[in-house]
Amino acid sequence: EPEVTQTPSHQVTQMGQEVILRCVPISNHLYFYWYRQILGQKVEFLVSFYNNEISEKSEIFDDQFSVERPDGSNFTLKIRSTKLEDSAMYFCATNIRGRNQPQHFGDGTRLSIL
Amino acid sequence: RKEVEQDPGPFNVPEGATVAFNCTYSNSASQSFFWYRQDCRKEPKLLMSVYSSGNEDGRFTAQLNRASQYISLLIRDSKLSDSATYLCAVNMAGTASKLTFGTGTRLQVTL
Repeated sequence: EPEVTQTPSHQVTQMGQEVILRCVPISNHLYFYWYRQILGQKVEFLVSFYNNEISEKSEIFDDQFSVERPDGSNFTLKIRSTKLEDSAMYFCATNIRGRNQPQHFGDGTRLSIL
Repeated sequence: RKEVEQDPGPFNVPEGATVAFNCTYSNSASQSFFWYRQDCRKEPKLLMSVYSSGNEDGRFTAQLNRASQYISLLIRDSKLSDSATYLCAVNMAGTASKLTFGTGTRLQVTL
């Protein structure tokens, strides 16, 4: 069964540093998403991306966050200047047609900010 | 009112029991609904979509009640391996395709 893959599985970074989280979507999927889950809390939407553009973003997704799909395969989330409160699990998800379709999640990157 | 609300549990049930969870949503025009399963510190895994007419997949049955704005998940003949957190996810009306998740209901199946 095709899977969404994410790298790295765990990233430890000093506060203020930049991090890039990577996701390889399922090959025929066209809609890509990032979610985060702070330990003990619910899964929260960050951003959706379609046709090389952000289609929707949450209030969490402020100017320190950016997404891109530079080479047509990897879908990346960049956090420019990390804060302690960015520590969380970050999940990439993808689906074929966007709205009203189930999303398939990667196994996540655990981001720890020191 | 929270957008998507679930009883956090835990629900402790013996093996073989039937257990049901509900999830309420605030926006009556919401279109699509899903149940995900999440094991500790792992990714959400799609369990099933929830259709208007209700749907069943083996021991799992999902129902949608639009009038009362809730979805339900019924697990029959619970197994130890069903122990997990069950997440309700809703594609809320007025949004593009983002999913809004509940906090999850924790299920612990015991011998």
